[in-house]
Amino acid sequence: AQKITQTQPGMFVQEKEAVTLDCTYDTSDPSYGLFWYKQPSSGEMIFLIYQGSYDQQNATEGRYSLNFQKARKSANLVISASQLGDSAMYFCAMREGQYKLSFGAGTTVTVRA
Amino acid sequence: NAGVTQTPKFQVLKTGQSMTLQCAQDMNHEYMSWYRQDPGMGLRLIHYSVGAGITDQGEVPNGYNVSRSTTEDFPLRLLSAAPSQTSVYFCASSPRDLSSPLHFGNGTRLTVT
Repeated sequence: AQKITQTQPGMFVQEKEAVTLDCTYDTSDPSYGLFWYKQPSSGEMIFLIYQGSYDQQNATEGRYSLNFQKARKSANLVISASQLGDSAMYFCAMREGQYKLSFGAGTTVTVRA
Repeated sequence: NAGVTQTPKFQVLKTGQSMTLQCAQDMNHEYMSWYRQDPGMGLRLIHYSVGAGITDQGEVPNGYNVSRSTTEDFPLRLLSAAPSQTSVYFCASSPRDLSSPLHFGNGTRLTVT
C-alpha cells in the first residue's frame, strides 16, 4: 500500500500567488516525521520543511508552511508569493520506524510570469 | 563541507555487466540509504543501513547488494545489470532520528543498454 500519496501530478501558478500541494500519508506508528523536498531541473534534492507527529503547531520556514491535519493524515505544503525559481518537482515524504523515508510520486510546479 | 559524495555522476553499462556506485559522507551520520528515481514514481528505497555492519532491504532490493563496513561509506553493487535498472540513483544520509532530514548526494545517472 502507498504510504505517501500526492494526487496532483502537475500544477501551474501565477507569479506572486500562493499554491497548495496536497499530501496524504498512511501509518499506524504514533511517532513519525513528515518532510517536503524540492527537486529543481538540475536534479539535486533540497530539504524544505519538517513536521513532527507530536507537533501542535504547523511548521513554517520562510515562504513555506505545512498545513498538518493529523486526523485526516494530510500534510499539505503551502508556498506563498510564488517566484519563478519555485518551478520544480516537490516531494512529500514520511519517516517512521527504522528511520526509513518513504516518498510520494511528486508534484511538478510551474510558475508563470 | 563535502556532505554526501556520490561517484560516478554518469555511467553506461551493457546488460550483464557489474559495477559499484560509491557513496561517502563526512558528517558521521549513522543512517545511510540508496534510492532510485524513475519518472512518475518518486524515489524508491533500495537498501538502507542504521549503522556500520547493519544493512537491510528497502522497497526494491532485487539486483542490488550493499555493505557498510565503515560509518562513512555505503557502496551499492549491481551484480548483473539489466535495462530495468536504468535510473537515477541517490545516496542519502542522516542522524538516526525521525526528525532529521536526509542529506542527499547529487545522484548517479545510470543507463543499461
